[in-house]
Amino acid sequence: DTAVSQTPKYLVTQMGNDKSIKCEQNLGHDTMYWYKQDSKKFLKIMFSYNNKELIINETVPNRFSPKSPDKAHLNLHINSLELGDSAVYFCASSPGHTNTQYFGPGTRLTVL
Amino acid sequence: SQKIEQNSEALNIQEGKTATLTCNYTNYSPAYLQWYRQDPGRGPVFLLLIRENEKEKRKERLKVTFDTTLKQSLFHITASQPADSATYLCALEGNNDMRFGAGTRLTVKP
Repeated sequence: DTAVSQTPKYLVTQMGNDKSIKCEQNLGHDTMYWYKQDSKKFLKIMFSYNNKELIINETVPNRFSPKSPDKAHLNLHINSLELGDSAVYFCASSPGHTNTQYFGPGTRLTVL
Repeated sequence: SQKIEQNSEALNIQEGKTATLTCNYTNYSPAYLQWYRQDPGRGPVFLLLIRENEKEKRKERLKVTFDTTLKQSLFHITASQPADSATYLCALEGNNDMRFGAGTRLTVKP
């Protein structure tokens, strides 16, 4: 059974479009995260959600918005996509007390 | 500002040798530090956690040390194998989140 899953695995789209990436975890964790890994492989946190409450919002453009319908899901919506948004996006979850991260397989977003 | 530095972008070693990776940090007072492994096209996978009051932690061929005075953690892989080739990331807790170093890409040659 997949612990943290993301869909789609690959996403190719045109500049200006709006897209979503879905994430689900079946670990019963309280906190979920979105990370961006750029071409230099640097992993940077974007958002985290704890019990459906946003507790971190890094300096990311407001074109990016996380949506959590329930504790097991944290989806990432991106409006008006730009070339610089091309990257691999990872979802993760943690049980909270040590913040050990359990990562999904990643979504490679390519904006043309 | 808080910084995490992994001082080698890439490390090449011969099979059977010990690989030693370094993680230095500034402006953190972490309660614990974590190490992750990332293979190409995959998400990072948790390996080890070491707490501030622990000097050393071992798991099979892996060993991690944590020196809060030097603000440094060392990650060792003994009897390295080609299958150990991957990128290794250290991570520290920031403000309610985990912050990752840029990683060291380890290549173990047969």
